[in-house]
Amino acid sequence: RKEVEQDPGPFNVPEGATVAFNCTYSNSASQSFFWYRQDCRKEPKLLMSVYSSGNEDGRFTAQLNRASQYISLLIRDSKLSDSATYLCVVMDSNYQLIWGAGTKLIIKP
Amino acid sequence: DAGVIQSPRHEVTEMGQEVTLRCKPISGHDYLFWYRQTMMRGLELLIYFNNNVPIDDSGMPEDRFSAKMPNASFSTLKIQPSEPRDSAVYFCASSLVRGGLPGELFFGEGSRLTVL
Repeated sequence: RKEVEQDPGPFNVPEGATVAFNCTYSNSASQSFFWYRQDCRKEPKLLMSVYSSGNEDGRFTAQLNRASQYISLLIRDSKLSDSATYLCVVMDSNYQLIWGAGTKLIIKP
Repeated sequence: DAGVIQSPRHEVTEMGQEVTLRCKPISGHDYLFWYRQTMMRGLELLIYFNNNVPIDDSGMPEDRFSAKMPNASFSTLKIQPSEPRDSAVYFCASSLVRGGLPGELFFGEGSRLTVL
């Protein structure tokens, strides 16, 4: 089993819709959690950190479920510019960053 | 402000040749990471440095790969000899310490390597 798993997608979503995807992690002692965004043929960039209480940044909401060992990302009112690959990153108990393979999101007009 | 700068952006070489990838991290950052990304394997950490000292090189595939950080503003990743399976995008990233741990990673634009 991979340490960090994501549905590779692609998720094809109409513009304006709400979309959510999850990321599961295997190490229950994981410390910190992040979502990065990577546009096609570009470098990854931090989208948001994921806090235990959940956090929101505009149209984006991230949540952590420690009991079930997953984090989620919700995008409301999706825009064409949200099309990208979303990478889940988990910091394990040894402070190493473990990257998921990413979920590809395509927003269609 | 300048971000992480990598060179070359693209390199095409023949099997057996030496490849050197270069990285200039963001000034003042304590950590520098080298990653490799392929469709099959995603992002893989090769090695990272803290204050110019290599901390973990367990991700370096084999002895053909080596990395150095002679000072705080420069790092190289060398592949000698290169093989077709080394074809990938190589990213360099840097970060500041946050609470004793690496904070947000800032990536360079990557070096796309093709080994024929």
